[in-house]
Parts: sequence; structure tokens; C-alpha cells
Amino acid sequence: QLQLQESGPGLVKPSETLSLTCTVSGGSISSSSYYWGWIRQPPGKGLEWIGSIYYSVSTYYNPSLKSRVTISVDTSKNQFSLKLRSVTATDTAVYYCARDDFWSGYQWGQGTLVTVSS
Amino acid sequence: QSVLTQPPSVSGAPGQRVTISCTGSSSNIGAYYDVHWYQQLPGTAPKLLIYGNSNRPSGVPDRFSGSKSGTSASLAITGLQAEDEADYYCQSYDSSLRVFGGGTKLTVL
Repeated sequence: QLQLQESGPGLVKPSETLSLTCTVSGGSISSSSYYWGWIRQPPGKGLEWIGSIYYSVSTYYNPSLKSRVTISVDTSKNQFSLKLRSVTATDTAVYYCARDDFWSGYQWGQGTLVTVSS
Repeated sequence: QSVLTQPPSVSGAPGQRVTISCTGSSSNIGAYYDVHWYQQLPGTAPKLLIYGNSNRPSGVPDRFSGSKSGTSASLAITGLQAEDEADYYCQSYDSSLRVFGGGTKLTVL
């Protein structure tokens, strides 16, 4: 059974870089069938797609975040990662990693709260 | 401002039927892209409820159903139960971009 687990600092200072890792178990991140993505949810608000990566070949980002985001894959560790640069308080959110598939939708990790504060 | 438009809230009494709409445009739902629906219970991660417009994952009760027509999609819940009280989100695609609705809070009266 596929499981995804986010990890990383729960507190990031303004202007610094938010870095999260998603560890995938029960399936291979090298599978050519799926994308792997990040979604976030500010407190009390809706879901916002951050970006997705396909087989270390293609990356797609939300245009509103594109200038600050990098998503990468480490196939040797079966992990993929998110880096969000120059964060502000508006980047405070629960960050979810997910398997992303056009036909079957998202399968989600449990999420991790990241607070941006000095 | 979400790309897909959902009503902020809906409500219904136990046993009743409710529907949640998800309106997009010709570049997303109105194109050939599928619509997926997610249920988010308080304090938990979203869970896939309907995929590919109208398909239920294993374990999702048949009280939940989805449909798509033109530039819109709908989620219907029949035989409403207290445990259905949650936030519901639709999701589709706009070329390579993933787009979400703003979410609908379902209250069971």
C-alpha cells in the first residue's frame, strides 16, 4: 500500500528557504506512470497546488509560485523534495506531498505544518 | 480566487440528498480533463472520494457519486449522515497545471 510522509522544519524564518522532503513507501518513485506533487493549505483556507514532477524529466509549477519553487526527485532514496525561497508569513500552511495521476487523482501524505515567523 | 468555482457551503438534514457543483471553463473541465473530488474531515488530510469524474475508490460508499457535463461537474451525496460533515474539493487540470475549487463546507443539520 502506497504511503507518503512529509518531513522538514516546522518553523522557517522570513526571507529564508522552506525545504521539505517526501518519502515514498510501498511504491517506486521511478515509476513512469505517475507524477509526484506538492499542495499546500493555509490555516482555515483551501487547497493550493504548488507543483508536480514527472520521472525527474518534467516539472510544472503554479505560475503564482514559479519564481520561488523547485521540486526535485532522489530516486536512490525514493524521495522527492520541495524548496520554496524567500518565504513570508503568507507561506505559512500545511504542506502535503502526493502521488499525482491524471486518471486517479491525488493520493496524499498526512501533511506537515510549516510556520514562517522570526 | 480559485480557477474552479464551488459554493462555499451547503447543508442538509440526515437522510437527505445534497449536491455540490464545480464550475470551470473551456480550458479545464470543458476540455478533455477529468475531475476528481476529495473529502477533508476536520484536522485531517484530504481523501480521494471520486476519480475520473464518476468513479469511486474502493471503500467509498455508493452514497457518493460524481458527474461531469460541459464545463461543470457535480458531487452528489444521498442518504446524508452526520459523518459526511466535512469540506469537499473538486480538482481538474488546465493544460499541465492542476487546479482546485475553493472548497465547500457541508453541514449536516
